[in-house]
Amino acid sequence: KAGVTQTPRYLIKTRGQQVTLSCSPISGHRSVSWYQQTPGQGLQFLFEYFSETQRNKGNFPGRFSGRQFSNSRSEMNVSTLELGDSALYLCASSLSGRRVDNEQFFGPGTRLTVL
Amino acid sequence: GQNIDQPTEMTATEGAIVQINCTYQTSGFNGLFWYQQHAGEAPTFLSYNVLDGLEEKGRFSSFLSRSKGYSYLLLKELQMKDSASYLCAVRVTRDNYGQNFVFGPGTRLSVLP
Repeated sequence: KAGVTQTPRYLIKTRGQQVTLSCSPISGHRSVSWYQQTPGQGLQFLFEYFSETQRNKGNFPGRFSGRQFSNSRSEMNVSTLELGDSALYLCASSLSGRRVDNEQFFGPGTRLTVL
Repeated sequence: GQNIDQPTEMTATEGAIVQINCTYQTSGFNGLFWYQQHAGEAPTFLSYNVLDGLEEKGRFSSFLSRSKGYSYLLLKELQMKDSASYLCAVRVTRDNYGQNFVFGPGTRLSVLP
């Protein structure tokens, strides 16, 4: 069974630009969550999607948005990039979200550098 | 609010046993998870607890006390490859079945020969 895949793996952008990151969950997984990881703040939750609907959202500004497609693939968009957006962006998928032992499987991440 | 604390760094010797503690204050608690993350890699799942008590999984064990908001991860027979960051995460669920994992800052474990 293929794991969670994320593209691209590395990205360099300049301030003010926008970026779109992609995540393909494990086959059969319907819940996709996005996280930002930085050395100073650790892993922080961005949002969760399930059946094309945003079900949960963290405390990030509106410049961060996402969506999920009917095949459960998800994209995350960051507009008007700032230097502080430089981070590792991780996507995680799980079966649903209702099961108590619902384990999340992480993708390899996209390393975004904003210059 | 949501708050999770872990020690920042720990050092142990190959073959020894180490215990990594985690304390949390969260609402909507629905499970405590432990992840291992090697430098430059994604986190990988180690164990989870929903009910109080000890869960054993090979060389790894995890304990939970919900009344105390406390968990620990126990690693036995340490190997050099266990050098990594260990993340404690609380799964928080909402009325709409939405979920998110609140992660602690991670504990960087160094295993010395």
